[in-house]
Amino acid sequence: DGGITQSPKYLFRKEGQNVTLSCEQNLNHDAMYWYRQDPGQGLRLIYYSQIVNDFQKGDIAEGYSVSREKKESFPLTVTSAQKNPTAFYLCASSASTGYGYTFGSGTRLTVV
Amino acid sequence: GENVEQHPSTLSVQEGDSAVIKCTYSDSASNYFPWYKQELGKRPQLIIDIRSNVGEKKDQRIAVTLNKTAKHFSLHITETQPEDSAVYFCAASKGGGFKTIFGAGTRLFVKA
Repeated sequence: DGGITQSPKYLFRKEGQNVTLSCEQNLNHDAMYWYRQDPGQGLRLIYYSQIVNDFQKGDIAEGYSVSREKKESFPLTVTSAQKNPTAFYLCASSASTGYGYTFGSGTRLTVV
Repeated sequence: GENVEQHPSTLSVQEGDSAVIKCTYSDSASNYFPWYKQELGKRPQLIIDIRSNVGEKKDQRIAVTLNKTAKHFSLHITETQPEDSAVYFCAASKGGGFKTIFGAGTRLFVKA
Protein backbone atom coordinates (compact mmCIF):
# COMPACT_ATOMS: atom_id res chain seq x y z
CA ASP A 1 0.00 0.00 0.00
CA GLY A 2 2.82 2.42 -0.63
CA GLY A 3 2.47 5.74 -2.32
CA ILE A 4 -0.69 7.36 -1.06
CA THR A 5 -2.19 6.80 2.37
CA GLN A 6 -5.65 7.69 3.60
CA SER A 7 -6.76 7.60 7.21
CA PRO A 8 -8.82 6.61 8.97
CA LYS A 9 -10.29 3.69 7.03
CA TYR A 10 -13.66 4.09 8.78
CA LEU A 11 -15.06 7.26 10.32
CA PHE A 12 -18.30 8.00 12.10
CA ARG A 13 -19.71 11.50 12.32
CA LYS A 14 -22.41 12.82 14.57
CA GLU A 15 -24.90 15.39 13.37
CA GLY A 16 -23.43 18.91 13.39
CA GLN A 17 -19.86 17.70 13.67
CA ASN A 18 -16.93 18.53 11.41
CA VAL A 19 -14.54 15.70 10.58
CA THR A 20 -11.22 15.68 8.73
CA LEU A 21 -9.99 12.95 6.42
CA SER A 22 -6.26 12.60 5.96
CA CYS A 23 -4.44 12.03 2.66
CA GLU A 24 -0.66 11.78 2.41
CA GLN A 25 1.47 10.84 -0.62
CA ASN A 26 5.18 10.17 -1.04
CA LEU A 27 5.13 9.97 -4.83
CA ASN A 28 6.32 13.55 -5.31
CA HIS A 29 3.13 14.21 -7.28
CA ASP A 30 2.12 17.80 -7.83
CA ALA A 31 -1.61 17.24 -8.27
CA MET A 32 -3.98 15.82 -5.67
CA TYR A 33 -7.73 15.19 -5.74
CA TRP A 34 -10.66 14.23 -3.58
CA TYR A 35 -13.50 12.15 -4.98
CA ARG A 36 -16.70 10.93 -3.46
CA GLN A 37 -18.01 7.50 -4.44
CA ASP A 38 -21.68 6.62 -4.05
CA PRO A 39 -23.22 3.37 -5.30
CA GLY A 40 -24.19 3.58 -8.95
CA GLN A 41 -22.85 7.10 -9.40
CA GLY A 42 -19.20 6.57 -10.13
CA LEU A 43 -16.67 9.05 -8.79
CA ARG A 44 -17.51 12.71 -8.33
CA LEU A 45 -14.85 15.38 -7.89
CA ILE A 46 -14.98 17.39 -4.67
CA TYR A 47 -11.75 19.42 -4.79
CA TYR A 48 -8.43 19.29 -6.56
CA SER A 49 -5.06 20.95 -6.14
CA GLN A 50 -2.38 21.43 -8.76
CA ILE A 51 0.27 23.01 -6.52
CA VAL A 52 0.91 23.86 -2.89
CA ASN A 53 -1.27 26.62 -1.46
CA ASP A 54 -3.69 26.40 -4.38
CA PHE A 55 -6.87 24.37 -4.79
CA GLN A 56 -10.05 24.51 -6.84
CA LYS A 57 -13.63 23.39 -6.36
CA GLY A 58 -14.89 20.39 -8.21
CA ASP A 59 -18.48 19.49 -9.04
CA ILE A 60 -19.71 18.87 -5.48
CA ALA A 61 -17.62 21.14 -3.23
CA GLU A 62 -20.49 22.45 -1.09
CA GLY A 63 -20.09 21.38 2.53
CA TYR A 64 -16.44 20.45 2.11
CA SER A 65 -13.15 22.29 2.62
CA VAL A 66 -9.51 21.47 1.92
CA SER A 67 -6.01 22.81 2.46
CA ARG A 68 -2.71 22.21 0.68
CA GLU A 69 0.04 23.53 2.91
CA LYS A 70 2.49 20.79 1.94
CA LYS A 71 3.02 18.98 -1.33
CA GLU A 72 2.57 15.64 0.41
CA SER A 73 -0.68 16.38 2.21
CA PHE A 74 -4.23 17.24 1.10
CA PRO A 75 -6.70 16.87 4.00
CA LEU A 76 -10.44 17.07 3.44
CA THR A 77 -12.84 18.45 6.05
CA VAL A 78 -16.46 17.40 5.87
CA THR A 79 -18.38 20.18 7.57
CA SER A 80 -21.79 20.17 9.20
CA ALA A 81 -23.07 21.98 6.11
CA GLN A 82 -22.74 18.75 4.11
CA LYS A 83 -26.19 17.27 4.65
CA ASN A 84 -25.59 13.83 3.19
CA PRO A 85 -21.97 12.96 3.93
CA THR A 86 -22.30 9.19 4.18
CA ALA A 87 -20.11 7.89 1.34
CA PHE A 88 -16.76 6.41 0.40
CA TYR A 89 -14.09 9.09 -0.04
CA LEU A 90 -11.12 8.56 -2.29
CA CYS A 91 -7.99 10.67 -2.46
CA ALA A 92 -5.81 10.51 -5.55
CA SER A 93 -2.64 12.06 -6.90
CA SER A 94 -1.02 12.40 -10.30
CA ALA A 95 2.31 13.56 -11.64
CA SER A 96 0.61 15.81 -14.16
CA THR A 97 -2.83 17.28 -13.77
CA GLY A 98 -5.49 15.18 -15.40
CA TYR A 99 -3.32 12.17 -16.25
CA GLY A 100 -3.23 8.71 -14.65
CA TYR A 101 -4.19 8.73 -11.00
CA THR A 102 -2.85 6.79 -8.06
CA PHE A 103 -5.64 6.31 -5.55
CA GLY A 104 -5.56 5.89 -1.81
CA SER A 105 -7.43 3.02 -0.17
CA GLY A 106 -10.32 5.26 0.83
CA THR A 107 -12.21 6.36 3.92
CA ARG A 108 -15.75 5.21 4.55
CA LEU A 109 -17.66 7.94 6.37
CA THR A 110 -20.94 7.21 8.11
CA VAL A 111 -23.25 9.62 9.87
CA VAL A 112 -24.62 8.26 13.14
CA GLY B 1 -22.33 19.71 -18.82
CA GLU B 2 -19.45 17.29 -19.36
CA ASN B 3 -20.51 13.71 -19.06
CA VAL B 4 -19.24 10.16 -19.51
CA GLU B 5 -21.77 7.42 -20.02
CA GLN B 6 -20.79 3.81 -19.45
CA HIS B 7 -22.55 0.59 -20.46
CA PRO B 8 -23.47 -1.96 -19.35
CA SER B 9 -23.78 -1.40 -15.61
CA THR B 10 -23.44 -5.13 -15.00
CA LEU B 11 -21.81 -7.77 -17.18
CA SER B 12 -21.60 -11.49 -16.55
CA VAL B 13 -19.43 -13.74 -18.72
CA GLN B 14 -18.16 -17.28 -18.64
CA GLU B 15 -14.48 -17.82 -17.91
CA GLY B 16 -12.54 -17.72 -21.15
CA ASP B 17 -15.05 -15.54 -22.97
CA SER B 18 -14.45 -11.91 -23.94
CA ALA B 19 -15.93 -8.87 -22.19
CA VAL B 20 -16.55 -5.48 -23.75
CA ILE B 21 -17.40 -2.28 -21.88
CA LYS B 22 -18.38 0.84 -23.79
CA CYS B 23 -18.21 4.53 -22.93
CA THR B 24 -19.20 7.75 -24.63
CA TYR B 25 -18.05 11.22 -23.71
CA SER B 26 -19.57 14.62 -24.36
CA ASP B 27 -16.59 17.02 -24.37
CA SER B 28 -14.92 16.91 -27.77
CA ALA B 29 -11.81 18.52 -26.23
CA SER B 30 -11.15 15.39 -24.15
CA ASN B 31 -7.86 13.81 -25.16
CA TYR B 32 -6.99 11.30 -22.44
CA PHE B 33 -9.04 8.19 -21.61
CA PRO B 34 -7.98 5.99 -18.68
CA TRP B 35 -9.60 2.83 -17.41
CA TYR B 36 -9.57 1.85 -13.73
CA LYS B 37 -10.27 -1.49 -12.07
CA GLN B 38 -11.67 -1.57 -8.54
CA GLU B 39 -11.80 -4.90 -6.77
CA LEU B 40 -14.20 -5.31 -3.88
CA GLY B 41 -13.12 -3.19 -0.92
CA LYS B 42 -9.97 -1.95 -2.66
CA ARG B 43 -8.80 1.22 -4.34
CA PRO B 44 -9.27 1.85 -8.07
CA GLN B 45 -6.15 1.06 -10.07
CA LEU B 46 -5.21 2.30 -13.51
CA ILE B 47 -5.10 -0.66 -15.90
CA ILE B 48 -4.75 0.98 -19.30
CA ASP B 49 -5.09 4.40 -20.89
CA ILE B 50 -5.21 5.88 -24.37
CA ARG B 51 -4.59 9.33 -25.77
CA SER B 52 -6.50 10.90 -28.61
CA ASN B 53 -3.69 10.57 -31.14
CA VAL B 54 -3.99 6.77 -30.98
CA GLY B 55 -6.92 4.63 -32.13
CA GLU B 56 -6.09 1.45 -30.26
CA LYS B 57 -3.81 0.24 -27.49
CA LYS B 58 -3.23 -3.28 -26.23
CA ASP B 59 -1.64 -4.72 -23.11
CA GLN B 60 -1.73 -8.52 -22.94
CA ARG B 61 -5.41 -9.50 -22.55
CA ILE B 62 -6.65 -5.92 -22.33
CA ALA B 63 -7.22 -3.53 -25.20
CA VAL B 64 -8.84 -0.14 -25.56
CA THR B 65 -10.20 1.41 -28.76
CA LEU B 66 -11.07 5.04 -29.37
CA ASN B 67 -13.35 6.57 -31.99
CA LYS B 68 -12.91 10.35 -31.71
CA THR B 69 -15.52 11.10 -34.35
CA ALA B 70 -18.19 9.22 -32.46
CA LYS B 71 -16.75 10.24 -29.06
CA HIS B 72 -16.74 6.63 -28.09
CA PHE B 73 -14.17 4.34 -26.46
CA SER B 74 -14.26 0.74 -25.33
CA LEU B 75 -12.42 -1.72 -23.11
CA HIS B 76 -11.94 -5.26 -24.38
CA ILE B 77 -10.86 -8.09 -22.10
CA THR B 78 -10.09 -11.41 -23.79
CA GLU B 79 -9.81 -14.86 -22.21
CA THR B 80 -11.45 -13.63 -19.03
CA GLN B 81 -10.44 -15.14 -15.71
CA PRO B 82 -12.21 -15.11 -12.31
CA GLU B 83 -9.68 -12.55 -11.04
CA ASP B 84 -10.96 -10.12 -13.68
CA SER B 85 -14.16 -9.84 -11.62
CA ALA B 86 -14.31 -6.23 -10.40
CA VAL B 87 -15.87 -2.86 -11.12
CA TYR B 88 -14.37 -1.10 -14.12
CA PHE B 89 -14.52 2.67 -14.56
CA CYS B 90 -13.87 4.57 -17.75
CA ALA B 91 -12.89 8.21 -17.60
CA ALA B 92 -12.16 11.15 -19.85
CA SER B 93 -10.12 14.27 -19.33
CA LYS B 94 -8.43 17.02 -21.24
CA GLY B 95 -5.12 15.83 -19.85
CA GLY B 96 -3.25 18.82 -18.61
CA GLY B 97 -6.55 20.27 -17.50
CA PHE B 98 -8.01 19.65 -14.10
CA LYS B 99 -11.07 17.51 -14.48
CA THR B 100 -11.27 13.80 -15.02
CA ILE B 101 -14.87 12.76 -15.49
CA PHE B 102 -15.67 9.17 -14.54
CA GLY B 103 -18.32 6.84 -15.86
CA ALA B 104 -20.68 5.19 -13.38
CA GLY B 105 -18.83 1.88 -13.52
CA THR B 106 -19.44 -1.65 -14.84
CA ARG B 107 -19.57 -4.55 -12.46
CA LEU B 108 -17.99 -7.53 -14.26
CA PHE B 109 -18.62 -11.07 -13.04
CA VAL B 110 -16.52 -13.86 -14.52
CA LYS B 111 -18.04 -17.24 -13.80
CA ALA B 112 -15.69 -20.19 -13.42
